[in-house]
Amino acid sequence: TQLLEQSPQFLSIQEGENLTVYCNSSSVFSSLQWYRQEPGEGPVLLVTVVTGGEVKKLKRLTFQFGDARKDSSLHITAAQTGDTGLYLCAGEGGANNLFFGTGTRLTVIP
Amino acid sequence: DAGVTQSPTHLIKTRGQQVTLRCSPISGHKSVSWYQQVLGQGPQFIFQYYEKEERGRGNFPDRFSARQFPNYSSELNVNALLLGDSALYLCASSRQGNSPLHFGNGTRLAV
Repeated sequence: TQLLEQSPQFLSIQEGENLTVYCNSSSVFSSLQWYRQEPGEGPVLLVTVVTGGEVKKLKRLTFQFGDARKDSSLHITAAQTGDTGLYLCAGEGGANNLFFGTGTRLTVIP
Repeated sequence: DAGVTQSPTHLIKTRGQQVTLRCSPISGHKSVSWYQQVLGQGPQFIFQYYEKEERGRGNFPDRFSARQFPNYSSELNVNALLLGDSALYLCASSRQGNSPLHFGNGTRLAV
């Protein structure tokens, strides 16, 4: 079983603050994806990182894939209330399936 | 274009019963995957179908089965329901087996 652990599990911050969410595994993945899920909805893909050391930016969100392709981080600058949600990382394993992490529930307080 | 649609949105069943969940993929998508998301956890892979054939299966008991129809829609069946089967069941479609996934809003099953 390829296990992806995310930290922190819960995060509550003030609007305007910065934060970083981590996704760690002992397994190597061919690619890693980040999703955001809001209550009552399915996960929505934010980004896919493929190359070890890769950094991708999506407005105020910065995603990094570890050099060994075992870990990733998501950094949010100047958080807004609209960033509130469950952030999930997912590693692409074999057999055409995704292994999802345990999730980080982010609450941004106005 | 409509996104991935799942039905029903909510379902209440009794232990031992059987349930069928339905999923319609985005038009043009030939792959459908099913995931189980227990409260407080990330989704867990159950099945993937591509062109009506099973391409992947997660670590779930034989009580779980699925199929994909010629129009690429899919059904997930769970027999002999247990209390632990209570979860949000998510369907995701993609153009091909390894393309980005587009998730539906899920069916919330309570046993």
